Amino acid sequence: GENVGLHLPTLSVQEGDNSIINCAYSNSASDYFIWYKQESGKGPQFIIDIRSNMDKRQGQRVTVLLNKTVKHLSLQIAATQPGDSAVYFCAENTGTGFQKLVFGTGTRLLVSP
Amino acid sequence: DTEVTQTPKHLVMGMTNKKSLKCEQHMGHRAMYWYKQKAKKPPELMFVYSYEKLSINESVPSRFSPECPNSSLLNLHLHALQPEDSALYLCASSRQANTEAFFGQGTRLTVV
Repeated sequence: GENVGLHLPTLSVQEGDNSIINCAYSNSASDYFIWYKQESGKGPQFIIDIRSNMDKRQGQRVTVLLNKTVKHLSLQIAATQPGDSAVYFCAENTGTGFQKLVFGTGTRLLVSP
Repeated sequence: DTEVTQTPKHLVMGMTNKKSLKCEQHMGHRAMYWYKQKAKKPPELMFVYSYEKLSINESVPSRFSPECPNSSLLNLHLHALQPEDSALYLCASSRQANTEAFFGQGTRLTVV
């Protein structure tokens, strides 16, 4: 799976830039995907989700894209702000009937003023 | 109210101690979860409760014992833990299997 990592990839951007965080998921049968933001010392915070019958979903300043052909998920953050600095995890639901979230390795986003 | 509350926030325990972690939500969610997160790693699922019944145990050692007293509460009883069990323990809840799971702030556990 994708959730075993020895280091955390880092994306460094300037305030105001658009950020794109990518994720490869492992199970072609997964039907539900979530992006979480985790700040230091806190629990994961829900950002946006998408079901497998969609390929794009937009929220406030965020867009999630799903490409089932290559099992790829991306999170786009528009006009990135210093408060967006955190670790971002994608998660796929591999369960049937129950929610079994498998998290990706995570990407650290650093936003410079 | 989209809050999942976990207590305590921090816990230090010896290898012979017995302690419990608590989790509470009042969103009417009928699915609740325990996750374990080691430093610089993603959360890993431990247990799933659905309608107060244990639905999934991800091969977790028996020194971790979950309990769901009612639809709002989830406990994790700890006994004879090892130092490698030190981690952030996260509780989460969701309305259904394919709806967003809300996480608590976690309990930072240190086993000495």
